[in-house]
Amino acid sequence: DAGVIQSPRHEVTEMGQEVTLRCKPISGHDYLFWYRQTMMRGLELLIYFNNNVPIDDSGMPEDRFSAKMPNASFSTLKIQPSEPRDSAVYFCASSLSTGGGETQYFGPGTRLLVL
Amino acid sequence: GDSVTQMEGPVTLSEEAFLTINCTYTATGYPSLFWYVQYPGEGLQLLLKATKADDKGSNKGFEATYRKETTSFHLEKGSVQVSDSAVYFCALSDRMDSSYKLIFGSGTRLLVRP
Repeated sequence: DAGVIQSPRHEVTEMGQEVTLRCKPISGHDYLFWYRQTMMRGLELLIYFNNNVPIDDSGMPEDRFSAKMPNASFSTLKIQPSEPRDSAVYFCASSLSTGGGETQYFGPGTRLLVL
Repeated sequence: GDSVTQMEGPVTLSEEAFLTINCTYTATGYPSLFWYVQYPGEGLQLLLKATKADDKGSNKGFEATYRKETTSFHLEKGSVQVSDSAVYFCALSDRMDSSYKLIFGSGTRLLVRP
């Protein structure tokens, strides 16, 4: 199993630019989570999906952030326009709701730097 | 609301020392408890978990026991290695809430010196 795949691994962009982060969950998993990690705020849940449907986006910082899951094997997190305070590591995680569904499997993360 | 509290880091130990990282939780329901580990430059990996009171999770020499009476899930290892240097996160998933969300503690950085 390839695990959760995220791309790109590193992204450097300038303030005001659009940034798109991508995630491929583990095949068969029905939950997908997006997190942000910073030194100041630690690990924050931004949004999660169940069967491709967004369930809770209360952690999304503001309207500049949006997330989609067009199918079971792909999700995107978009920031438009980006700001320096968005610099962080963004993680995607997936889980399977049957048989101990609480265990989440994390991707390697996308390290975003907004200049 | 649900929450997880971990001891502040960093924790610095010499190789072969005994490790304890404290974790306590608050939950309205009956949670499952987890320890995740994050090595430098990587994502979080599940280290161990326990789903009911008195269960002991164990993996790679690490252990943690679900203590409902003290609402704790302390992580222990009898003899740490340099390769154990990482950040450790305690987390809970409240099964009264069927969302499978994880509530994480702030993380504890462990540094093991040769």
